[in-house]
Parts: sequence; structure tokens; C-alpha cells
Amino acid sequence: AQSVTQPDIHITVSEGASLELRCNYSYGATPYLFWYVQSPGQGLQLLLKYFSGDTLVQGIKGFEAEFKRSQSSFNLRKPSVHWSDAAEYFCAVGAQDYGQNFVFGPGTRLSVLP
Amino acid sequence: GAGVSQSPRYKVAKRGQDVALRCDPISGHVSLFWYQQALGQGPEFLTYFQNEAQLDKSGLPSDRFFAERPEGSVSTLKIQRTQQEDSAVYLCASSLAGGSEAFFGQGTRLTVV
Repeated sequence: AQSVTQPDIHITVSEGASLELRCNYSYGATPYLFWYVQSPGQGLQLLLKYFSGDTLVQGIKGFEAEFKRSQSSFNLRKPSVHWSDAAEYFCAVGAQDYGQNFVFGPGTRLSVLP
Repeated sequence: GAGVSQSPRYKVAKRGQDVALRCDPISGHVSLFWYQQALGQGPEFLTYFQNEAQLDKSGLPSDRFFAERPEGSVSTLKIQRTQQEDSAVYLCASSLAGGSEAFFGQGTRLTVV
């Protein structure tokens, strides 16, 4: 069964600073990997996804993530954070096998200081 | 429709009342998922449909929870005899197939008083 850990419950960064949110997964085969963002009272919005190919994937809003198979990680990065990036970020793993569901990590709450 | 639609957006139920939450997935999406998100937590899997077949219901917390998707499109999550611990946001998602990209609805916030 898949599982996801996000070691950081809450991260605070200053506006303009760089950001890295950690995600580690456990899955027996090559997973599908996702990062979602959730603003207060809002649904989940997909930031980016990894299915195969280039291990560095670009997403919306200037985010990128790198899949490292050897470390079972899929960390999310952004070179310069904007105040509007303050939200909850969820890493998720899906399976390439048809019929499997998504498993989400517990989330990392990002606060941005002016 | 253009996205996944859930109704109602908000539901207040008295303890012991039955509730029904509706999900309209994106047209043509085979897979449909229900998640429960407690305050400050990540979404927890409840159940999964492939067309009308419920392939996995291992996440349903008790036999008070029941989900159906009789025609392989709209799905309903029913909670019988609601308890305070059922208070959460219930998220529905759909995808073309299995573990591929899932699109989420805005959720239904259930408050049991």
C-alpha cells in the first residue's frame, strides 16, 4: 500500500525567499506523484504531477518538483515565494495500476512573512 | 460540466440525522473518489468507484457510511445517524482512470451539532 510523509507541519518563510517542501513516499512500483495546494475554504488545486520521464517537473505558479527514486522523495520548490503562496500543501501518491486510489500526506502549512 | 461539482456546499445536521452528499464528476471520468478531511488534516480516503463498481470501500469508517454510483456518473455519499465525529469536509474527485490526475470538487462541509 502507498504511504506519504511530509515531515514539516508548518513552515514560515519571508516573501521573496526560496522554498522547499519535503515529501517522501512509500510504494512498491513507480508511482504517480502530485502536489496539491489548498487555500482556506477552498478545494484542492493541482500544482504539478510526475508520471514518467524527466524527473524535474514544472508546475503552475512558478513551482517545480524533483522526483528522486533513490530517496523516495518528491520535494516541492519555488525560488521566490509570494505572499499569495500562503496555503496548505499536500503531496499525494497514486498508482499506475488501474483501480488504485490516491494517498495524501498530512500536509505542510506555509506562512509567508511580509 | 467543466469541473467536479459537489452539493450542498455546507450542511448542518443534528446528531442522529441522516445526510446525503452529492458529487457530479467531470463528464467521461471513469474513476471517482470520496475523501474525508478533518480540520487541519490531509484528505483521508473513503471509497473509490470505477464506473458504477465500488472497487474499494476500505476507508469507510463505519457501516453508517454508504456510497453509491448507480449509473457510473453521479455519486452519493450517505451517512446514517450522524455523530459529532463525522464533522468534516467531504471531498469528491474524479479522474480519467485510476491513479492518474484527479480533479477535486470544492467539498461539502458537514457540521454535526
